[in-house]
Amino acid sequence: DAEITQSPRHKITETGRQVTLACHQTWNHNNMFWYRQDLGHGLRLIHYSYGVHDTNKGEVSDGYSVSRSNTEDLPLTLESAASSQTSVYFCASSESPAGGQFFGPGTRLTVL
Amino acid sequence: RKEVEQDPGPFNVPEGATVAFNCTYSNSASQSFFWYRQDCRKEPKLLMSVYSSGNEDGRFTAQLNRASQYISLLIRDSKLSDSATYLCAGRMEYGNKLVFGAGTILRVKS
Repeated sequence: DAEITQSPRHKITETGRQVTLACHQTWNHNNMFWYRQDLGHGLRLIHYSYGVHDTNKGEVSDGYSVSRSNTEDLPLTLESAASSQTSVYFCASSESPAGGQFFGPGTRLTVL
Repeated sequence: RKEVEQDPGPFNVPEGATVAFNCTYSNSASQSFFWYRQDCRKEPKLLMSVYSSGNEDGRFTAQLNRASQYISLLIRDSKLSDSATYLCAGRMEYGNKLVFGAGTILRVKS
């Protein structure tokens, strides 16, 4: 069955370190998204991509970057991790502009 | 004002009850809407799309009121397993981005 996976599922890192979170989907969806979810804020869009080599900033993109070299993967990089980036990160994908998004299981990141 | 707003709840209801949540949106040009269900420490899962004509799936009914700019989710005959956080999401007129509400907590008790 097609699916969307994220790794690692849990990560503890130190302030200032570079961290990369992986997202892989096997639906062949063009559209992929990264969100963070924090208590009191709900899901907030970090970056998104509409296809290979396309990337766009979301509402909370500072300190994050993404790259899209193939259809299946959209890794999220924290250039220099900060304690404010402690959160749960969800990757999502969608097939059509009108359809809903499907989420991966999430990565729980703690920055000490 | 947030683009998508929900009453955080919690809504505490007995098994078998009917419960309804509303979600308001600020952008009148919003194109499409969705309800998601999120269990504790899990990912959001798409529950249903919301169409102008309404959408029903078993015990769940979703409606869109464009004039008043809100969507609703009605759950009939609530089950213990319906306990979760329900997120609404709206797609803005531009692109494929969804804007999510912060969620409404539902607790169904026996």
